[in-house]
Amino acid sequence: NAGVIQTPRHKVTGKGQEATLWCEPISGHSAVFWYRQTIVQGLEFLTYFRNQAPIDDSGMPKERFSAQMPNQSHSTLKIQSTQPQDSAVYLCASSLVLGGRDTQYFGPGTRLLVL
Amino acid sequence: GDSVTQTEGLVTLTEGLPVMLNCTYQSTYSPFLFWYVQHLNEAPKLLLKSFTDNKRPEHQGFHATLHKSSSSFHLQKSSAQLSDSALYYCALSTSSGQKLVFGQGTILKVYL
Repeated sequence: NAGVIQTPRHKVTGKGQEATLWCEPISGHSAVFWYRQTIVQGLEFLTYFRNQAPIDDSGMPKERFSAQMPNQSHSTLKIQSTQPQDSAVYLCASSLVLGGRDTQYFGPGTRLLVL
Repeated sequence: GDSVTQTEGLVTLTEGLPVMLNCTYQSTYSPFLFWYVQHLNEAPKLLLKSFTDNKRPEHQGFHATLHKSSSSFHLQKSSAQLSDSALYYCALSTSSGQKLVFGQGTILKVYL
């Protein structure tokens, strides 16, 4: 079991450019989550999918952020017109079934730096 | 809305002393509580989670008890080890939605 895979591990973009982050959940897991981690805000929920369908995107900045899950083996988080305040570690997590007590397994994260 | 509060941003200890990291929560529903640990440059990993049958979860010497009366889920260990140095997050989820709501995190530093 390779765990949750995230690529790239590091990404540097210029202000105004687009960034696409990839996540491969653990095989068989039906729920996929995206979180953002910064020193100031800590760990914040962005969005999640269940069986590839979007369920809750209440944490997503609406204007420039979007997430998709085109198949059960990967999800993408896209940030358009990146801004310096988007600099953070973006974490993807997956869980086996959707239920309040299920363990979420996190990937190593993508460290995004916007210059 | 749901929220988790960790009052200490940094806890420093000498090896061998007991550890207690505080966690209190607010939730409309009866939540499930979790402790995640994150070592430097690694992914957060589940340390332990609350049960509904009054069992006290334990892992790697750490334990926590869910007290609904005080809305708390403090993390404890009887004797700190150098390898316990890490960032610890308390989090909750509810049966109505599985997203995790995290506290601000507590950095634990253990010294010789």
